[in-house]
Amino acid sequence: TQLLEQSPQFLSIQEGENLTVYCNSSSVFSSLQWYRQEPGEGPVLLVTVVTGGEVKKLKRLTFQFGDARKDSSLHITAAQPGDTGLYLCSSGTYKYIFGTGTRLKVLA
Amino acid sequence: GAVVSQHPSWVICKSGTSVKIECRSLDFQATTMFWYRQFPKQSLMLMATSNEGSKATYEQGVEKDKFLINHASLTLSTLTVTSAHPEDSSFYICSARDTTGAGQPQHFGDGTRLSIL
Repeated sequence: TQLLEQSPQFLSIQEGENLTVYCNSSSVFSSLQWYRQEPGEGPVLLVTVVTGGEVKKLKRLTFQFGDARKDSSLHITAAQPGDTGLYLCSSGTYKYIFGTGTRLKVLA
Repeated sequence: GAVVSQHPSWVICKSGTSVKIECRSLDFQATTMFWYRQFPKQSLMLMATSNEGSKATYEQGVEKDKFLINHASLTLSTLTVTSAHPEDSSFYICSARDTTGAGQPQHFGDGTRLSIL
């Protein structure tokens, strides 16, 4: 069974700082999605990465897929309070599993 | 596009009551829908995969007689928590995948917070 470990588990930073969140798997990803979830809401899809070595950017967010497709990272530049939330990686083909989650809090 | 509507968003009921949660894909067809449970400050845990026109596939440890899933059309799946008890209180979230197939991302509803008194 594929396991997705995320690190760090919790992160509290000041506005303007940079941060990186990691997602690691015990096996190769078919594809990988990153989501952000706010309290009381469902997760919102940020990006899907498919190809090893792929880099995608979404404004201040940069997503990287490892060459071997067993790990991924999410880098946020100049974090803002609006980035606060639970960040989840997810993978699967016919069904999906989620990572352990990274809870980010950006302080103004 | 890819909007998933979940209803109700909040339910409070007495122990022993059965509660039905609906998950609809509004602008796409979904052969497969998923039901998750989420405890406070934790990640999502897959409960079952709901396939249109066939029986749901439950994850290990999930009681299928407790959590009844029906997926009668390409746009609607329902989860019924039967004879709910306080330990069933949780945040339940559904998602749907476009019929174009495996590997496509899933799109989530806004969740249902279930509180059993």
